[in-house]
Amino acid sequence: NAGVTQTPKFHILKIGQSMTLQCTQDMNHNYMYWYRQDPGMGLKLIYYSVGAGITDKGEVPNGYNVSRSTTEDFPLRLELAAPSQTSVYFCASSYSKSGNTIYFGEGSWLTVV
Amino acid sequence: RKEVEQDPGPFNVPEGATVAFNCTYSNSASQSFFWYRQDCRKEPKLLMSVYSSGNEDGRFTAQLNRASQYISLLIRDSKLSDSATYLCVVYSADGNQFYFGTGTSLTVIP
Repeated sequence: NAGVTQTPKFHILKIGQSMTLQCTQDMNHNYMYWYRQDPGMGLKLIYYSVGAGITDKGEVPNGYNVSRSTTEDFPLRLELAAPSQTSVYFCASSYSKSGNTIYFGEGSWLTVV
Repeated sequence: RKEVEQDPGPFNVPEGATVAFNCTYSNSASQSFFWYRQDCRKEPKLLMSVYSSGNEDGRFTAQLNRASQYISLLIRDSKLSDSATYLCVVYSADGNQFYFGTGTSLTVIP
């Protein structure tokens, strides 16, 4: 019962560095999402994908990029990391959007110093 | 105005108490409604979907009032294990995404 798996769980990044958060799901879900969660704030959508080869911006896409080459994988790329990107990142998936449960990965705690 | 608003709490209640959380949403075209539970330093997990007629799952009851655009969650006979943050989640087709409240913190005290 793997569900949604994301790595790494914790990472410290220096300002200006780049990195990729990996996300994979084994539920054959079409929809995948990346959210960030800051203290006292709700989850904010960074990017989402409705299927392989299709991605779209969410509410807070600046400073990030994604790709969806397969149904299973949806990596999030941070380019030129900034302190404002210090956050907890959650990858999630769902079979479709409306009325369907979103399943989350365990989260990636990222600190930019 | 935020899409989804919740009282952040914290709610500190004794074991066995009944506690209710409310959530309001701004988009009258919202279609689907959920309560998620998030434990400290963990991912959110679905607690229950919320249906127009109201629905119950054991000690948990969810209600939806479309006219007033609010959702409620009632927890009866609170257990220590109910301590968590409860997130109100709304799906709006015109925004084509899920909107999350900031969460309501609950601590059940022995």
